[in-house]
Amino acid sequence: DAGVTQSPTHLIKTRGQQVTLRCSPKSGHDTVSWYQQALGQGPQFIFQYYEEEERQRGNFPDRFSGHQFPNYSSELNVNALLLGDSALYLCASSLAGYGYTFGSGTRLTVV
Amino acid sequence: SQELEQSPQSLIVQEGKNLTINCTSSKTLYGLYWYKQKYGEGLIFLMMLQKGGEEKSHEKITAKLDEKKQQSSLHITASQPSHAGIYLCGADSGGSNYKLTFGKGTLLTVNP
Repeated sequence: DAGVTQSPTHLIKTRGQQVTLRCSPKSGHDTVSWYQQALGQGPQFIFQYYEEEERQRGNFPDRFSGHQFPNYSSELNVNALLLGDSALYLCASSLAGYGYTFGSGTRLTVV
Repeated sequence: SQELEQSPQSLIVQEGKNLTINCTSSKTLYGLYWYKQKYGEGLIFLMMLQKGGEEKSHEKITAKLDEKKQQSSLHITASQPSHAGIYLCGADSGGSNYKLTFGKGTLLTVNP
C-alpha cells in the first residue's frame, strides 16, 4: 500500500520564478493538506483541499495556491518566489480529516 | 489561536536510558498526534490520542494525554540510537478547524 508520494524531492528556483509541487495521497484518502516547514521549526499549515475545493487556509499570501484533482491528487503552486519561501514542503493526506499521513516532502531552495 | 510548546527543545541521552518529552497546549486538545522526523525528511506517524487520560504504547514508546486534555507526554524506555530524531506533537482542534498545529519539535540524540 503506497503512502503519500511527493514530487520532486528537491528543487532549486530563482527569486521571482514560479514553482509547482505535486502530491499523491495514500490509497483510500480523500483529503490533502499542505504544510511549510522552515529549518528548526514545526510545520505550518498552508491549506487543505477536499472535494476539489480549498476547505481551509492558513496565514499564507495569495502567492500560494493549490488544486485538487478528481483522483484526489493535489498541486501546490507558489508564484513570485522569495528567498523566504525556501523550506521543506510537506503534503499530508487523510480520510475525512482523520489520521494524517505525511509524505517525505519537497525541499525547495530559492536563490 | 492554539499554540503548542514542547520541552525540552533538545535532549542528549546515553543509549539505554529512559527519557520523556512534553507537549503543552494553550487550549483543550481535540486530538494530539506524535510524529518523528529525521532531519529534512517527512513525518512518521507514531500515535494519536483523543481521550483524557488515554495512554498508548508501541514498542518502547508510550504516549499519554492528561485528563484535562491540555498536556501530553512521550516516554521512551531503554533508548536506542534508532530513536534519534526530531519528535513533533501536533494538535487537532476539531470542529470546522481542519489543520494540525505543531510544536517546534524536540531534537533527540542517543549516544551509543
